[in-house]
Amino acid sequence: GEDVEQSLFLSVREGDSSVINCTYTDSSSTYLYWYKQEPGAGLQLLTYIFSNMDMKQDQRLTVLLNKKDKHLSLRIADTQTGDSAIYFCADGLEGGYNKLIFGAGTRLAVHP
Amino acid sequence: DVKVTQSSRYLVKRTGEKVFLECVQDMDHENMFWYRQDPGLGLRLIYFSYDVKMKEKGDIPEGYSVSREKKERFSLILESASTNQTSMYLCASISSDVGGYTFGSGTRLTVV
Repeated sequence: GEDVEQSLFLSVREGDSSVINCTYTDSSSTYLYWYKQEPGAGLQLLTYIFSNMDMKQDQRLTVLLNKKDKHLSLRIADTQTGDSAIYFCADGLEGGYNKLIFGAGTRLAVHP
Repeated sequence: DVKVTQSSRYLVKRTGEKVFLECVQDMDHENMFWYRQDPGLGLRLIYFSYDVKMKEKGDIPEGYSVSREKKERFSLILESASTNQTSMYLCASISSDVGGYTFGSGTRLTVV
């Protein structure tokens, strides 16, 4: 079945760039998403990319999509302590009901 | 902004109890979802609903049922709670044309 994989942990120094990677198996994806979860909270939609795009930039966030390799990445420039959270990659399946398949989440720790 | 409200942030229940988790959204969305979140496993889909009184099983429906009597409310029911249902439960509805979800804040359920 469909699957989304991410590494579980990433540690970066404040001010550096963070790159969170994700691979997915479903080739019919229409959109791919990045969500952020802060401690004790639900998930918040961070950004998304349409499957026919290679890149999307939104302030400090850059999403890169390699459709051939089914690889998605999220780059956070000038990472701050407030960026410490769990980041989930999600694959939007084509077809009815708008189901999303989520990865296990990458815990980003930002240290001074 | 679309709001998804989950009635309880924390719940402690005893094994064998019937448990109701309530979710309400205020934007007239057709599609609503229940996920459970466990460390290292990410989000797993329990049930979803695409209209009033309509429901579909997700990936892990065993031990759960749902009810959607009104469009804005989607309830998750644990018929007889067990300790392996201790988890964070997240409700979501579709938030935009691009299909991204809006999540509630989550209910952390502990079954003792």
